[in-house]
Amino acid sequence: ELKVEQNPLFLSMQEGKNYTIYCNYSTTSDRLYWYRQDPGKSLESLFVLLSNGAVKQEGRLMASLDTKARLSTLHITAAVHDLSATYFCAVGPFGNEKLTFGTGTRLTIIP
Amino acid sequence: GAGVSQSPSNKVTEKGKDVELRCDPISGHTALYWYRQSLGQGLEFLIYFQGNSAPDKSGLPSDRFSAERTGGSVSTLTIQRTQQEDSAVYLCASSSSMGQLNEQFFGPGTRLTVL
Repeated sequence: ELKVEQNPLFLSMQEGKNYTIYCNYSTTSDRLYWYRQDPGKSLESLFVLLSNGAVKQEGRLMASLDTKARLSTLHITAAVHDLSATYFCAVGPFGNEKLTFGTGTRLTIIP
Repeated sequence: GAGVSQSPSNKVTEKGKDVELRCDPISGHTALYWYRQSLGQGLEFLIYFQGNSAPDKSGLPSDRFSAERTGGSVSTLTIQRTQQEDSAVYLCASSSSMGQLNEQFFGPGTRLTVL
């Protein structure tokens, strides 16, 4: 059974600081997704990572994938309040279209 | 362009009643998914439709849950004889299934409360 773990579950950080959210998964997977969810809202797609060593960046967020270690990271640079949300990683191996989600990381940016 | 839409946005029902939740996927998307988000279980896959193929029902928690997709577009998730543990946000997603991305786009969800 595919399991996806995220840590930390909760993260409170000051504006301007850097931090990393970690996503570990239990079996080989070819696709790794990051989503953002604001309170009371649905999921917004941030990144899709397809191969080992893939790195994608959008604004202050950067995601990377290490398929050998079964690890993805979401790095936040110089956090701003607008980044406060819950971030989910999800895994979707080829041939298995359903996504298995991590537990989510609730990020709060303090002014 | 229009995204995934779901209705109703909120549904309050009494234990034992049946409910129907509706999902309109992005036009042209051949794949449609239902997920459930609850405090205790996180985000769980329920069912997946791809074109005219038989749906993957492996995530449905009990036989009280069923879903159909008519004409390859709109989908309805039905929960019969609702129980309090069915209270959750039900999310629908669609993808084009073209290429290897399988990027899924989510609707706003239906918040179901079973009293």
